[in-house]
Amino acid sequence: AQSVTQPDIHITVSEGASLELRCNYSYGATPYLFWYVQSPGQGLQLLLKYFSGDTLVQGIKGFEAEFKRSQSSFNLRKPSVHWSDAAEYFCAVGGLGGGSNYKLTFGKGTLLTVNP
Amino acid sequence: DTAVSQTPKYLVTQMGNDKSIKCEQNLGHDTMYWYKQDSKKFLKIMFSYNNKELIINETVPNRFSPKSPDKAHLNLHINSLELGDSAVYFCASSQGPGQYNEQFFGPGTRLTVL
Repeated sequence: AQSVTQPDIHITVSEGASLELRCNYSYGATPYLFWYVQSPGQGLQLLLKYFSGDTLVQGIKGFEAEFKRSQSSFNLRKPSVHWSDAAEYFCAVGGLGGGSNYKLTFGKGTLLTVNP
Repeated sequence: DTAVSQTPKYLVTQMGNDKSIKCEQNLGHDTMYWYKQDSKKFLKIMFSYNNKELIINETVPNRFSPKSPDKAHLNLHINSLELGDSAVYFCASSQGPGQYNEQFFGPGTRLTVL
C-alpha cells in the first residue's frame, strides 16, 4: 500500500526567507506525486505534480518540487516566501493502493506560518 | 462560476440524526470523490464514482451512503450520526479516474455532531 510522510507538522519562516517542505513517499511502482495547498477555510488547490520526465517540476505561485527516487522524496521549495503563503500544505501520492482503482493518499500536512 | 460546490458549508446536528451533504461540479468531469478530513487535518478518501458508478469504497461504516444521481452530482448521506463523524468533508472531481487527472476540490462541509 502507498503512504506519505510529512515529517514537519509546523514550520515558521520569516517573509522573504526560503522554504523547503519535506515529503517522503512509499510506493512499489512509479509514483505520481502531488503538492496541494489548503488556505484556512478553503478547499485544496493543486500546486504542482510529478508524473515522469524532468525531476524538477515548476508549479503555481512560484513553488517548485524535486523528485528524488533514491531518497523516495518529493520536497517542495520556494526561494522567497510571501505572507500569503501561510497555509497547510499536503503532499500526496497517487497509485492503486492495493486495489484496482487509482486513488490519492495524502500526508498529514505541514502548517506554514509566515512571520512579517 | 464555482467549479465544485458543496452545501451546506456548516452542519451542526445531534447524535443519532440523519443528514446529507450535497456536491455539484460544473466542470463536465466524469469522476467524483468524497474525502474526510479529521480534526488533525488528515485527509482520507471515502468514495469515488465514475460515470455514476461506485469505483472506490474505502473502509467506511455503512451508515455512510453516497449517491450519484448524475455525473455532475455526488451526495453523501449519513445515518445515525456519531460524535466521531465530526470532520470536514470534501468533495472533489476529476476528468477521469486515472492517475493523470487532476482532482479539483470543493470548499468543504464542516460537520459537527453534538
